[in-house]
Amino acid sequence: EVQLLASGGGLVQPGGSLRLSCAASGFTFSNYAMTWVRQAPGKGLEWVSSITGGGGGTYYTDSVKGRFTVSRDNSKSTLYLQMNSLRAEDTAVYYCAMWGQNGDYLYWGQGTLVTVSS
Amino acid sequence: DIVMTQTPLSSPVTLGQPASISCRSSQSIVHNDGNTYLSWLQQRPGQPPRLLIYKISNRFSGVPDRFSGSGAGTDFTLKISRVEGEDVGVYYCMQATQFPHTFGPGTKVDI
Repeated sequence: EVQLLASGGGLVQPGGSLRLSCAASGFTFSNYAMTWVRQAPGKGLEWVSSITGGGGGTYYTDSVKGRFTVSRDNSKSTLYLQMNSLRAEDTAVYYCAMWGQNGDYLYWGQGTLVTVSS
Repeated sequence: DIVMTQTPLSSPVTLGQPASISCRSSQSIVHNDGNTYLSWLQQRPGQPPRLLIYKISNRFSGVPDRFSGSGAGTDFTLKISRVEGEDVGVYYCMQATQFPHTFGPGTKVDI
């Protein structure tokens, strides 16, 4: 059974940092690209970042470029999102998702809430 | 960026009756490899999204056959042949043909 367990969210002041983790199990982690998607309270879904299976390719939405860094440790089957210079508009539930070869987000984690507020 | 729009944004439905959601992309989402990476996701209240349909019309594992997808180019449709109570939630179309991947605003389906 595929499981994606996101963690690391919390309350942080504007300008602060957080590192999210997504522990994967039930599949060969290195064979799949992975994605972070966020959802602000009461809002829709927004793609944040993706990373290829080997980690050599990374992609970001414009609003987080230069502030967020996606990475992965295939030996630990874990995906990360380092978030720096956080802003109020980054407040959201952050989901990790498995990005399949059919351009689909096959499985999603339960999400971790990031709140940026003073 | 490719903008995804959905209609309607809200859809009251009757149990056992059909429902349909339209999705339109601001430009063609046919990839250079010939595939159209258009998916449909369902998000039940308090839950993460769940994949229903990929590449326009392919049902994901475990998805009931009352869900079907169709379309081409820039216009796509999700149909529920007979709505059941567990279908309540928000439905999103998304494109993964090019970065940034983008989602529609969501269509809320309620009874």
